[in-house]
Amino acid sequence: ETGVTQTPRHLVMGMTNKKSLKCEQHLGHNAMYWYKQSAKKPLELMFVYNFKEQTENNSVPSRFSPECPNSSHLFLHLHTLQPEDSALYLCASSEGSTGVSYEQYFGPGTRLTVT
Amino acid sequence: DQQVKQNSPSLSVQEGRISILNCDYTNSMFDYFLWYKKYPAEGPTFLISISSIKDKNEDGRFTVFLNKSAKHLSLHIVPSQPGDSAVYFCAVELGAQKLVFGQGTRLTINP
Repeated sequence: ETGVTQTPRHLVMGMTNKKSLKCEQHLGHNAMYWYKQSAKKPLELMFVYNFKEQTENNSVPSRFSPECPNSSHLFLHLHTLQPEDSALYLCASSEGSTGVSYEQYFGPGTRLTVT
Repeated sequence: DQQVKQNSPSLSVQEGRISILNCDYTNSMFDYFLWYKKYPAEGPTFLISISSIKDKNEDGRFTVFLNKSAKHLSLHIVPSQPGDSAVYFCAVELGAQKLVFGQGTRLTINP
């Protein structure tokens, strides 16, 4: 595998379910990100992790719970979501705060539908 | 209020012609600007960037222009090819590794 991978690619869940999204990067990067893209809206940054430590929480509701066990893996745990949480969830990685590049590399996303 | 705006949701260009995608931003202190391209069912891919110390950066068929006085960024693609059909996002780096994206412009290249 190369680049940034995300699983599952599609997910349908009820409002009482608990599920997790997984992201893995194979680029040797030190920073990882979760973004949300709703229909007809710009990408919204949710969380930033640097060297496994969360450095940004962009006022995300607690029903979204991130986890970063190491610099290569990032999870987004979901529970008691609302229909308006239906969106494309994108993971990205970058060199991080010690790097020279601001470019972020994205995975293909998980299309989430909350019923 | 949106800090980065792409006012054209869509653009249609004939193959071989120039495509010009535009982006406006609100804060003159922004320092670094990026363009991403997104195909359906894929994540955005980095295309080209520019620092505020420059007014132009070129990479093959892609050139980004920065007009700091107008707080305006544009991406030129020439010549346009069918494979360039995608959604294009501009983004600014806010510091602390935060990127803020525009809403995107859907570019269609017609044969």
